Amino acid sequence: QVQLVQSGAEVKKPGSSVKVSCQASGGTFYSDTFSWVRQAPGQGLEWMGRIIPIVDTAMYAQRFQGRVNITADKFTRTAYMDLSSLRFEDTAVYYCARDLAGLHNGMDVWGQGTTVIVSS
Amino acid sequence: QSVLTQPPSVSGAPGQRVTISCRGGSSNIGANFAVHWYQQLPGTVPKLLIYENNNRPSGVPDRFSGSKSGSSASLAITGLQAEDEADYYCQSFDSDVSGMIFGGGTKLTVL
Repeated sequence: QVQLVQSGAEVKKPGSSVKVSCQASGGTFYSDTFSWVRQAPGQGLEWMGRIIPIVDTAMYAQRFQGRVNITADKFTRTAYMDLSSLRFEDTAVYYCARDLAGLHNGMDVWGQGTTVIVSS
Repeated sequence: QSVLTQPPSVSGAPGQRVTISCRGGSSNIGANFAVHWYQQLPGTVPKLLIYENNNRPSGVPDRFSGSKSGSSASLAITGLQAEDEADYYCQSFDSDVSGMIFGGGTKLTVL
């Protein structure tokens, strides 16, 4: 049974960067893929991108291209989401989630979420 | 504005059947990409409810079902219960943006 545990809440200044981690226990990290999804206060879900650890390849939502970097460390079974040039509107809860096997599939296991607040 | 369009809210009485629509286009649902549905209870993490249009993960009651036709999909909930009150999101892949997309979400109120 896969469980995902994310790093703690962060408060960041505009223009800075934040790196959120997501450690997996159970399952086969190497052959899984992991997505990052965020949810601004009172808003809906927004997919940011995903990492495929087995080929060390990430793909990103167009609106985050150039500002987000998703990586994975197979040895520590940890995925990371690094978001730079933070703006006030990046204030949100950031979730990592495991993708079901198969192309463009849903996400069946979610981390607990990491609150990121961008404030001056 | 989401590429997948959901009604902002739906409601129903206990025991009734409700449906939540998810309207897409030719670059997502209409291109035969699968639709997935999530339930988010107040203050909690989203939960996968339906995957690949009409499949339920283990543990999801058969009161929940999904369907897809053309460029649209629907989530149906029968025998509505108070604990079904939540936000529901559809998701698919969009070839125009080359990424996964979510609908704007639908708030279900159990009267």
